[in-house]
Amino acid sequence: DAKTTQPPSMDCAEGRAANLPCNHSTISGNEYVYWYRQIHSQGPQYIIHGLKNNETNEMASLIITEDRKSSTLILPHATLRDTAVYYCIVRVAFKGGKLIFGQGTELSVKP
Amino acid sequence: DSGVTQTPKHLITATGQRVTLRCSPRSGDLSVYWYQQSLDQGLQFLIQYYNGEERAKGNILERFSAQQFPDLHSELNLSSLELGDSALYFCASSAEVIANSPLHFGNGTRLTVT
Repeated sequence: DAKTTQPPSMDCAEGRAANLPCNHSTISGNEYVYWYRQIHSQGPQYIIHGLKNNETNEMASLIITEDRKSSTLILPHATLRDTAVYYCIVRVAFKGGKLIFGQGTELSVKP
Repeated sequence: DSGVTQTPKHLITATGQRVTLRCSPRSGDLSVYWYQQSLDQGLQFLIQYYNGEERAKGNILERFSAQQFPDLHSELNLSSLELGDSALYFCASSAEVIANSPLHFGNGTRLTVT
């Protein structure tokens, strides 16, 4: 499975957009990019996933570069409740099994 | 609420003992995954079941075992417990085992071994 690189921590002002980057330069054509977050020892929460195209749902937007080597998760209007560890994970299309979690990015949303 | 239910929420037991953690997947989900999260290790994949059969194994100790029952709920059995087994144990479920089917996690069981 492709590895991902994320900054260990980021800050964001409340009400502003939070842009969380992820590098996955060794991603293969059949691998999906998934984003999860974990708020203080709760279970990881699914946010969004995509293969090639940009995706948007009620929580966030996922922007994947054309070469698929990096992606950005965008929380359009961050709130204090978005403070969490965010994980970017690359998942193989044909195995469909486990997600391998890295260290993630600790996002702090500040008033 | 993810729809995945884990019981109990907290468990305190002594070294050498055996415990069983239970997971009820989201309605309709056929696959169940178990993860362990300790302070120094992050989220580690343990094992996956699909429709009652073991599908994938991760770094699961021989002292640990799991099964998925016909009603699709799953149990993780931990035996001969050691202090280092203290951790959060998460269960997740997904509808299918294709990569386009997200995992949804429960809120975990916090195990403390004294």
